[in-house]
Formats: sequence, C-alpha cells, structure tokens
Amino acid sequence: AQSVTQLDSHVSVSEGTPVLLRCNYSSSYSPSLFWYVQHPNKGLQLLLKYTSAATLVKGINGFEAEFKKSETSFHLTKPSAHMSDAAEYFCVVIPTSGNTGKLIFGQGTTLQVKP
Amino acid sequence: NAGVMQNPRHLVRRRGQEARLRCSPMKGHSHVYWYRQLPEEGLKFMVYLQKENIIDESGMPKERFSAEFPKEGPSILRIQQVVRGDSAAYFCASSPRESSHLMNTEAFFGQGTRLTVV
Repeated sequence: AQSVTQLDSHVSVSEGTPVLLRCNYSSSYSPSLFWYVQHPNKGLQLLLKYTSAATLVKGINGFEAEFKKSETSFHLTKPSAHMSDAAEYFCVVIPTSGNTGKLIFGQGTTLQVKP
Repeated sequence: NAGVMQNPRHLVRRRGQEARLRCSPMKGHSHVYWYRQLPEEGLKFMVYLQKENIIDESGMPKERFSAEFPKEGPSILRIQQVVRGDSAAYFCASSPRESSHLMNTEAFFGQGTRLTVV
C-alpha cells in the first residue's frame, strides 16, 4: 500500500533561516509526489510536484524539493523563511499504478516562523 | 476563471439533521474528489466522481454518507443524521483529466466547508 509519512508534526524556525520539512513515502511503483500548503482557514495550494522528470523540483514562493529514490524521501526546503510561510504543509503521493486519482496525504507539518 | 467553489463555508447542524455540502468544479473540469479533514489530521479521500458517475467511493462511510455529481449543477456531498464525529472540514477538488493522468496535472482544491455538529 502507498503511504506518506511526515516526520515532524511541528517545525519552528526564525525568519530568514532555512526551512526543512521532511517526507518519506512508501510505494510499490514510481510515485508522483506533491507538496501542498494550507494557510489558516484557507484551501490547499499546490507548492510543487514531482512526476518522474527532474529529481530536483522547484515550486512557488522559493520552495523546492528533491526526490531521492534510494532514501524514499521528498523533503521540502527553502533557503530563507518568511513570516508568510507560516502554515500547514502536506506531502501527498499518487500511486501511478491502478490509481483512481486518490491523493494520499501525510498528516501534515505545521511550520511556525518566529520574528 | 473562478476556482473550485464550495458552499457554504461554514455549516452548523444539530445531531440528527442533514448536511448538504456543495462543490462547483473549475470550468471545464469534469472530475470531482471529496476529502475530509479531521482536526489535527491530514486529508482523507472519500469519493471520486465524474459527471453522473461514482468512480471510487472506497473512502466513504458505509452509512449516512452519499455523493452525486449530476449532469447539471454542482457536486453534492450529503450526510444524513449527522453525529458529532462528522464535525470536520470537507474539501472538494476538481481536475480536468481522467484519473490515470492525474500525475501530469493537479487537483485544484476549494476552500472547504467546515461542518460543526452540535
């Protein structure tokens, strides 16, 4: 069965310092992976996606993620945090075989950015 | 080009009442997905619909929950005889393509309906 595990439920950084949100996946097939962000009382916005092209994926707002098959990881990074980055982040997998479009969400990581 | 529209944004129901949640997909999208987000949890898939067809309802509770996506009008998620455990945020997403191609596109999410059962 496919799944994603977000290793940290809460991450706190200072403004201007790097951000690392960790995600490991489990999939029998080469998966498609996404990161979504959810600001308070808002819907989900796609940050970036990996679909078996380049392993380093650049997204919006300065975020990027690297697909590492050997580590089954898809960690999200940003060189310098901004106050507006404070939100909930979800790592998402879509299995490429036999899927019906179901997105499988991780449990989420709350990013806190301190001034 | 309006995004995925969900209404109402907030819904309060007493135990035993019915809740109806509406989702209008983006223009040109014929595939709709419903997800439920319980407090402190990620989103869980409930059901995948195309126009007039339920494709996958493996995430739907067996009783009290139903979904439809008629030829005309929005998709409806209906919860009968609500209980406190139904309190959650319900998100709808839509996509323009068949599910097998979803990896090459993205699902666009609405802002959700927050259901509170009192």
